[in-house]
Amino acid sequence: AQSVTQLGSHVSVSEGALVLLRCNYSSSVPPYLFWYVQYPNQGLQLLLKYTTGATLVKGINGFEAEFKKSETSFHLTKPSAHMSDAAEYFCAVNPNTGFQKLVFGTGTRLLVSP
Amino acid sequence: NAGVTQTPKFQVLKTGQSMTLQCAQDMNHNSMYWYRQDPGMGLRLIYYSASEGTTDKGEVPNGYNVSRLNKREFSLRLESAAPSQTSVYFCATVPLAGVRETQYFGPGTRLLVL
Repeated sequence: AQSVTQLGSHVSVSEGALVLLRCNYSSSVPPYLFWYVQYPNQGLQLLLKYTTGATLVKGINGFEAEFKKSETSFHLTKPSAHMSDAAEYFCAVNPNTGFQKLVFGTGTRLLVSP
Repeated sequence: NAGVTQTPKFQVLKTGQSMTLQCAQDMNHNSMYWYRQDPGMGLRLIYYSASEGTTDKGEVPNGYNVSRLNKREFSLRLESAAPSQTSVYFCATVPLAGVRETQYFGPGTRLLVL
């Protein structure tokens, strides 16, 4: 079965600091990978996704993620954190089974301090 | 366009009571999903509907039933609520069932079972 591991249920950074949220997946084949963000009391929205092609994927709000097959990782980064980035971030994998059924990680809450 | 709407936003039930959570979308999407979100567990798929007229079990279907009433609406029913069903429930939609598609989430329904 596919699974996703997000290291760190909480990550704290200062405003302007680098954001790094970690995601590792288990898969026997390269999967389709997603990062979603959830702001307080809202539903999830897509930040970025990797399907095929370029392994460095750029998303909204200055976030990007790099697919590294050898490390089975899809870490999310942003060079400079902003207060508005405080939210919960979910990594998800869609096994290449021909249908959309996401497996979500347990989430990482990003805290940004002034 | 309202996107994905969910009703009610919040509900308190007593153990053994029944209720139906409603989800509607105006984006003409084919596939619809119900998830539950619990602290530290991410999102888990309860049921999904690949297209109008079809429904299938997800990871945690016990205690729930669903109805895909038409292309727009996908309801989730709790026949006899239990405290373990206290959670935040999200509906999501996908334009087509393809593996690369983005899921679009509703704002959620917070359910408390006493």
